Amino acid sequence: LAKTTQPISMDSYEGQEVNITCSHNNIATNDYITWYQQFPSQGPRFIIQGYKTKVTNEVASLFIPADRKSSTLSLPRVSLSDTAVYYCLIYNFNKFYFGSGTKLNVKP
Amino acid sequence: GAVVSQHPSWVICKSGTSVKIECRSLDFQATTMFWYRQFPKQSLMLMATSNEGSKATYEQGVEKDKFLINHASLTLSTLTVTSAHPEDSSFYICSANEDEDSVQPQHFGDGTRLSIL
Repeated sequence: LAKTTQPISMDSYEGQEVNITCSHNNIATNDYITWYQQFPSQGPRFIIQGYKTKVTNEVASLFIPADRKSSTLSLPRVSLSDTAVYYCLIYNFNKFYFGSGTKLNVKP
Repeated sequence: GAVVSQHPSWVICKSGTSVKIECRSLDFQATTMFWYRQFPKQSLMLMATSNEGSKATYEQGVEKDKFLINHASLTLSTLTVTSAHPEDSSFYICSANEDEDSVQPQHFGDGTRLSIL
């Protein structure tokens, strides 16, 4: 199963765009890339998922280069409420293995 | 959207007690559900895959006799921590998705905080 590597933590200020990059060098052909957000004492919440190129929804964008060995989650104009842990996961056949995640701290 | 519910959200009990945690898919059926454990300031660790109508599949290092999983129906899986001890105190989370033959993302419950005194 592909292992993911993310920065342990990041700081940002309100209103800024935040980009969190995840490395997954041994991603397989059938694997998808998924990002989750987790607040303390809550279950992870789905943010976005993609296979290649760019995916955008109402809360984030996901950029995946052609080799798919990395991906970047982009959060536009973050607010204090975006302070959370963000997990990048590679999966197929439903099994998820969580990496260490990135603790995003948004400051006023 | 799809909702996964867990009950209870918090339980405190004495050492040696067995504790049951329920995971329900509220608006969809799930033949497969997953159970995770999360210690403070750590990531989620997959414990087992719960299969409706058959035995659960446990990850390496997880004691199947300690963590009993029953997937009695297409909307309910239960995790029973038997003879719980303080080291079993943790945050337990379940997940499921609507279409297991697709790449639909997992929906997670809001977790159960287990504290063993």
